[in-house]
Amino acid sequence: DGGITQSPKYLFRKEGQNVTLSCEQNLNHDAMYWYRQDPGQGLRLIYYSQIVNDFQKGDIAEGYSVSREKKESFPLTVTSAQKNPTAFYLCASGAGTNYGYTFGSGTRLTVV
Amino acid sequence: AQSVAQPEDQVNVAEGNPLTVKCTYSVSGNPYLFWYVQYPNRGLQFLLKYITGDNLVKGSYGFEAEFNKSQTSFHLKKPSALVSDSALYFCAVVFSGGYNKLIFGAGTRLAVHP
Repeated sequence: DGGITQSPKYLFRKEGQNVTLSCEQNLNHDAMYWYRQDPGQGLRLIYYSQIVNDFQKGDIAEGYSVSREKKESFPLTVTSAQKNPTAFYLCASGAGTNYGYTFGSGTRLTVV
Repeated sequence: AQSVAQPEDQVNVAEGNPLTVKCTYSVSGNPYLFWYVQYPNRGLQFLLKYITGDNLVKGSYGFEAEFNKSQTSFHLKKPSALVSDSALYFCAVVFSGGYNKLIFGAGTRLAVHP
C-alpha cells in the first residue's frame, strides 16, 4: 500500500535535547511538508520541500531543522532552541497542484 | 494575499439534520479547493476537492461541497448528519501556479448530537 509513515507516534523530550521526527513516503511525491498543530488549533507550516536537496522555511521555522537527501524521506529535528515544542506534528506529501496532500498519522511530542 | 476563512469555530447539529460547514477564500488566479477531516490524534483525511467543472462536488462519507465563484465560497454540506461525523474539518486552497502549497483555514469543529 502506498502511504506516508510518521514515527514515532509519541515522543518525549527532556529540556535541552534535540529530537528527530521521521517522515517516509512511498507515493513518489516530489513535495513534502511539516506542520505543527497545537490543541484545538489549525495547522502552521514549519518547513517544506518541493524537490530533493532543496527546502524552504515556512511560517514558524525557528527552532526546527530539516533535510531532504532522499525523495522518500523528510525528517524534522526539533532543536533545543525551540522553547515550546509540545505539539502534534504532521507530515504531508503532495503530487502536484491538482491533487492536494496526503498526510501521515502524526507524532505527538511532549516535553518532560 | 491568499487566505482561507472558516468563520465558525464550532458547528453544532442534531443527528439526522443537514449540516453546513462554511469556507470562503481569497486567491488570485483560479482556485483549487479542498476539504479535509481530522479525527482525534490522527492525520488529516481527504474528503473532496474542486478543480474545475461542475460546481457541486461529491466526496467521501456522503459529503458534498458547492463552489461559488461570485461569493468566493466552498461550503461543505451533508444532507443528514451522523454522530460519527463529529470531527475537525479543514478547508484548504491553492491557486494555479501556487506550486502545490496549500493554504489551510483554521478549522471548524463539528459536533453532532444524538
